[in-house]
Amino acid sequence: GAVVSQHPSWVICKSGTSVKIECRSLDFQATTMFWYRQFPKQSLMLMATSNEGSKATYEQGVEKDKFLINHASLTLSTLTVTSAHPEDSSFYICSASGQGFNLYGYTFGSGTRLTVV
Amino acid sequence: GENVEQHPSTLSVQEGDSAVIKCTYSDSASNYFPWYKQELGKRPQLIIDIRSNVGEKKDQRIAVTLNKTAKHFSLHITETQPEDSAVYFCAASMSNDMRFGAGTRLTVKP
Repeated sequence: GAVVSQHPSWVICKSGTSVKIECRSLDFQATTMFWYRQFPKQSLMLMATSNEGSKATYEQGVEKDKFLINHASLTLSTLTVTSAHPEDSSFYICSASGQGFNLYGYTFGSGTRLTVV
Repeated sequence: GENVEQHPSTLSVQEGDSAVIKCTYSDSASNYFPWYKQELGKRPQLIIDIRSNVGEKKDQRIAVTLNKTAKHFSLHITETQPEDSAVYFCAASMSNDMRFGAGTRLTVKP
């Protein structure tokens, strides 16, 4: 149990375009979803936290207008990178936390490698 | 907010030796401390975790110790194998807020 599906696993886009990444909890209700960014050889940096039905809370330094997060249901959260630039190229990974299986448990998606050319 | 520091950043050991990775945290309210193993390009995988009401936990070759007073916790891997080579992250969590350490790149030489 506690599976999180993330799509796409990799994407290449042109500079200036937008990219949407989806994160779905398959067998539990994800009351909270987290979006992380990981640059090569670096740690996971929390970008934002979203609770179903409410606006995401962004970490300091993360532009909310550039990284749009939607958590419209208990099983789906999306991250849209708007007007992507080469410096946005990174590994984006979501994680979900839900009640019932592990109060503090985090289940990670498989990650999305974004390359902006 | 919580700040997690992790050391060392890289660790190289000979197969069969033990490896120890240490983390400190700043927020005394943190009460859940997981360790993740991440292989290149893959998602972090939970390998062991410990809660604040426990001082030590062991799972086969892996053990974690927690010192709440000193606010530090450690990962111990015994009898290391080449497949243990990966990046390991510690994390500290309170409620629904989890922060990660910078990671340790472990290399086990055959």
